[in-house]
Amino acid sequence: AQTVTQSQPEMSVQEAETVTLSCTYDTSESDYYLFWYKQPPSRQMILVIRQEAYKQQNATENRFSVNFQKAAKSFSLKISDSQLGDAAMYFCAYRSPEGARLTFGEGTQLTVNP
Amino acid sequence: DTAVSQTPKYLVTQMGNDKSIKCEQNLGHDTMYWYKQDSKKFLKIMFSYNNKELIINETVPNRFSPKSPDKAHLNLHINSLELGDSAVYFCASSHLRGQPQHFGDGTRLSIL
Repeated sequence: AQTVTQSQPEMSVQEAETVTLSCTYDTSESDYYLFWYKQPPSRQMILVIRQEAYKQQNATENRFSVNFQKAAKSFSLKISDSQLGDAAMYFCAYRSPEGARLTFGEGTQLTVNP
Repeated sequence: DTAVSQTPKYLVTQMGNDKSIKCEQNLGHDTMYWYKQDSKKFLKIMFSYNNKELIINETVPNRFSPKSPDKAHLNLHINSLELGDSAVYFCASSHLRGQPQHFGDGTRLSIL
């Protein structure tokens, strides 16, 4: 079974600075999908960014980018120019191409300091 | 337009009661899910339906019964509620293969 690990329960960053959230996963599959979801205090689950394992290019969405290292099974999220609205719980998630379920990490609580 | 909507948003009830949570999606997806988020914020899948067929049924007490009347709706009925059922329950939907899942706003269930 696949597992996802987020080793940083909490992180903090100064507004306008850059922060990187770590995620590692364990799988025997060669093709899969990885996601970062954001959960602000409002409780919504918001998709931040996705990465297909067969793509070598790292995904980017505005201020959010990933560092996908397939051999190391690592999928970190970089947030540039952090804003107060980025404060949230961030979840890394794994999905098999043939499977329906998302397997989530434990989450990283990000605080943005003004 | 709300993509995945679930009702109610909050549910406070007593032990032993039976309750239902409803979920509807207007994204045209063929697969719907129920996830449970516990007090430590850990998210875990409970059930999934693809075109009204149950495809994931995790180790969940049989007091929990999902029902999908059509591919746009997935309801969760819980019998004989227990204190340990207190959690946030999320509905989600997607196309089956590899697509991102879109989540509802969650239902916070509190058992007194």
